[in-house]
Amino acid sequence: KAGVTQTPRYLIKTRGQQVTLSCSPISGHRSVSWYQQTPGQGLQFLFEYFSETQRNKGNFPGRFSGRQFSNSRSEMNVSTLELGDSALYLCASSLGRKNTEAFFGQGTRLTVV
Amino acid sequence: GQSLEQPSEVTAVEGAIVQINCTYQTSGFYGLSWYQQHDGGAPTFLSYNALDGLEETGRFSSFLSRSDSYGYLLLQELQMKDSASYFCAVPDLTGKLIFGQGTTLQVKP
Repeated sequence: KAGVTQTPRYLIKTRGQQVTLSCSPISGHRSVSWYQQTPGQGLQFLFEYFSETQRNKGNFPGRFSGRQFSNSRSEMNVSTLELGDSALYLCASSLGRKNTEAFFGQGTRLTVV
Repeated sequence: GQSLEQPSEVTAVEGAIVQINCTYQTSGFYGLSWYQQHDGGAPTFLSYNALDGLEETGRFSSFLSRSDSYGYLLLQELQMKDSASYFCAVPDLTGKLIFGQGTTLQVKP
C-alpha cells in the first residue's frame, strides 16, 4: 500500500510569491492534516480536511489556505510569501475522524528568499 | 486549550533503557500517541494508548495514566539508530492532533 506522497520535496521561492503544495493520502484515508515544522517550534497545526470539508483550522493567517478533492488529495496554498514561512510542511493522513494514528508524508521543504 | 509537556532533550548510552515522559492538559481525551522523527525524515507512528496501562511493541513500550494525565515512552536496549526526536500527541475534541514540542534523544556509544 503506497504511503502519503507530498510534492514537491523541495521548493525555493521569493518573498511575495505564492506556492501550492500537494499531498496524496493513503488510499482509503479521508482525513488529511497539514503541519508546519520549524526548528524550536515543533509541529504547528495548519488545518485538517475530512471528506472535502475543512474540519479544523490552526492559528495561521489567511495567507495559508487549503482544499481537499473528491479523491481525498489535498493542496495547500500560501500567498504573499514571507521569509518566516520557510519551513518543512508536513501532510498527514488518517483513516477516521479521531486521528489516533496518523501517517505522514516526507514533507515539502520550502525556502523563501 | 490543549497542551503537552515533554523534556526537550534526553541522552543515554547504547544498550540502556530510557523513559520519555509526557504530561497533557486537554478538554477531552481520546488517547495518547507517540511518534518518532529522524533528522530530515517524516514523523512515524510508534504507539497509541487509549486506556491505562502499558502497551508493548518490541523494544518500545508506552504507558498511560489517565487519572494523572501522564504517559511515557520506554525504549529498551537502545541502539544508535534510536537517536531521533520523539513526540507525544493527543487528538482534541474535534479530532485535531496536538503535538508536544518533542524530545531529542541522543544515544551515545
